[in-house]
Amino acid sequence: GDSVTQMEGPVTLSEEAFLTINCTYTATGYPSLFWYVQYPGEGLQLLLKATKADDKGSNKGFEATYRKETTSFHLEKGSVQVSDSAVYFCALSDQQGAQKLVFGQGTRLTINP
Amino acid sequence: GAGVSQSPSNKVTEKGKDVELRCDPISGHTALYWYRQSLGQGLEFLIYFQGNSAPDKSGLPSDRFSAERTGGSVSTLTIQRTQQEDSAVYLCASRSRALSTDTQYFGPGTRLTVL
Repeated sequence: GDSVTQMEGPVTLSEEAFLTINCTYTATGYPSLFWYVQYPGEGLQLLLKATKADDKGSNKGFEATYRKETTSFHLEKGSVQVSDSAVYFCALSDQQGAQKLVFGQGTRLTINP
Repeated sequence: GAGVSQSPSNKVTEKGKDVELRCDPISGHTALYWYRQSLGQGLEFLIYFQGNSAPDKSGLPSDRFSAERTGGSVSTLTIQRTQQEDSAVYLCASRSRALSTDTQYFGPGTRLTVL
């Protein structure tokens, strides 16, 4: 079945550092790819998405590019802030049918001032 | 407009009791999902409703779990004879069928604790 593998956390960085959270996937078709974020005490929120190869999703300074050749969707941000501290989930879904989400295990990110 | 809402936000129950969890999707969204977030299993799909079609129940972990969706809107997830391993956060999400989006919007979740 389809699956998503994320880099294990926790990840701790200093403010203004560069962030990469790796995500790779296995899928039989051509999935849509997502990054969701869960801030402390809050629900899951969509951060960004991409629906076809070479698409770049971006939001709040975060970016991820759909790489079909490496089956990857790594999350990057050039300069992180304390407010970016959260748990980040990479996910995929089929583009047809139920479109149920398959999630990675999540990566807890802590940014220190 | 209002987002996805869930109730209760927290539920503590004793092993063996039945519980009902409620989800109100975003108005007009025809697709509704239940997921479970637990320490051991991460985030996993439970069940999917789309309009009047038969639900996709492929993620339900046992026959103690069931869900219904009345009138194409509100959904209730029922867990019978709860066990300690059912302790988790139960998340509901809804999605529009509009071709321009495939985004699922999540509610705040119900934290279930089985003692």
